[in-house]
Amino acid sequence: GENVEQHPSTLSVQEGDSAVIKCTYSDSASNYFPWYKQELGKRPQLIIDIRSNVGEKKDQRIAVTLNKTAKHFSLHITETQPEDSAVYFCAASKSLNTGFQKLVFGTGTRLLVSP
Amino acid sequence: DGGITQSPKYLFRKEGQNVTLSCEQNLNHDAMYWYRQDPGQGLRLIYYSQIVNDFQKGDIAEGYSVSREKKESFPLTVTSAQKNPTAFYLCASSINGRINEKLFFGSGTQLSVL
Repeated sequence: GENVEQHPSTLSVQEGDSAVIKCTYSDSASNYFPWYKQELGKRPQLIIDIRSNVGEKKDQRIAVTLNKTAKHFSLHITETQPEDSAVYFCAASKSLNTGFQKLVFGTGTRLLVSP
Repeated sequence: DGGITQSPKYLFRKEGQNVTLSCEQNLNHDAMYWYRQDPGQGLRLIYYSQIVNDFQKGDIAEGYSVSREKKESFPLTVTSAQKNPTAFYLCASSINGRINEKLFFGSGTQLSVL
């Protein structure tokens, strides 16, 4: 079955530094890759996503890159701020025969940004 | 306030007891999901429903049951057959469960065993 590995499990950076979180997936049929951010005590929220026909996508300070050949994708956060501190989950998705999108999540990365 | 509401926020289960977690959405979404979140294990899919009166097992359905009698409601029952029920449970919904759709999550229920 589908498996998504995520690294590192924890990441500590100084405010203003960049942070990179990496994920690999096993199912070559996966074609959609979202990232969710979960702040302490809050619900996960989508922050950025990328489709398999795109290699990179940016939204202000965050960007996601996808390497389909190597089956890995990464989240890049530049100029980190304390409010970026949260747990970040990557996910890989493919369509089942019914058309349903099945998301498989990584194990999460706890990012801590120190002032 | 539109969105997904989960209740209760905290729930305690005694040995041999079934408990039901509530999930209600007013987003008019067809698809609804239940995930289990354990420390260091990410989110694992328990059950999903693409449309009312239909639901399918996810990756870890054993010991759980669901119903989808109404579009806006997708309750999860944790049965006594679930031997390790302590976890954080998240309900989610999306428009119709198709590819590229954003998931909207509830605020979760923390279930603990007494």
